[in-house]
Amino acid sequence: EAGVTQFPSHSVIEKGQTVTLRCDPISGHDNLYWYRRVMGKEIKFLLHFVKESKQDESGMPNNRFLAERTGGTYSTLKVQPAELEDSGVYFCASSQFLAGNGNEQFFGPGTRLTVL
Amino acid sequence: AQSVTQPDIHITVSEGASLELRCNYSYGATPYLFWYVQSPGQGLQLLLKYFSGDTLVQGIKGFEAEFKRSQSSFNLRKPSVHWSDAAEYFCAVVPMEYGNKLVFGAGTILRVKS
Repeated sequence: EAGVTQFPSHSVIEKGQTVTLRCDPISGHDNLYWYRRVMGKEIKFLLHFVKESKQDESGMPNNRFLAERTGGTYSTLKVQPAELEDSGVYFCASSQFLAGNGNEQFFGPGTRLTVL
Repeated sequence: AQSVTQPDIHITVSEGASLELRCNYSYGATPYLFWYVQSPGQGLQLLLKYFSGDTLVQGIKGFEAEFKRSQSSFNLRKPSVHWSDAAEYFCAVVPMEYGNKLVFGAGTILRVKS
């Protein structure tokens, strides 16, 4: 079974440009999460989809970030326009609620974003 | 403030020595508790988890963790460290009152010396 995949693995862009990150969850997982780790800081929650609906977007830093999950499968996270402080590693995770599994989240390898 | 604390940013141990990584949380209800590991160039891998029941949980790669409610702690242990254990370790919780998102500690970087 394929795990969570993310594309690209690295992205280097200039301030003011637009970048779109993609996450493909584990097949059948209704829950999809985005997290971010800025250099030297903790990994922080950005948002949570249940199927195609945004369940919780309390961690989104500002309106330059737009996440979508059309059709409830893969998700994209667009940053427009990118700023220097957006640099970091963006992780995607997916899960499926099952009795007794505590909603275990499976993580992708992350996308390292560098904004110059 | 409610949080997850990993007090050790870096730890260095000799290969074959025992290891304990500390984690404390400050939430009212006992959350779901996790330890993840990130090896260089890799994603986050789940080592073990605690939801309820036996407070000593076994994980992969020979790791275990003990939940202590009185201390709000969930420390990770391994009796004998291998050089391949060098990585960054994250304690994380799902606080019951805040939905399903994971709240992470700052991470502990483990170095193993031969």
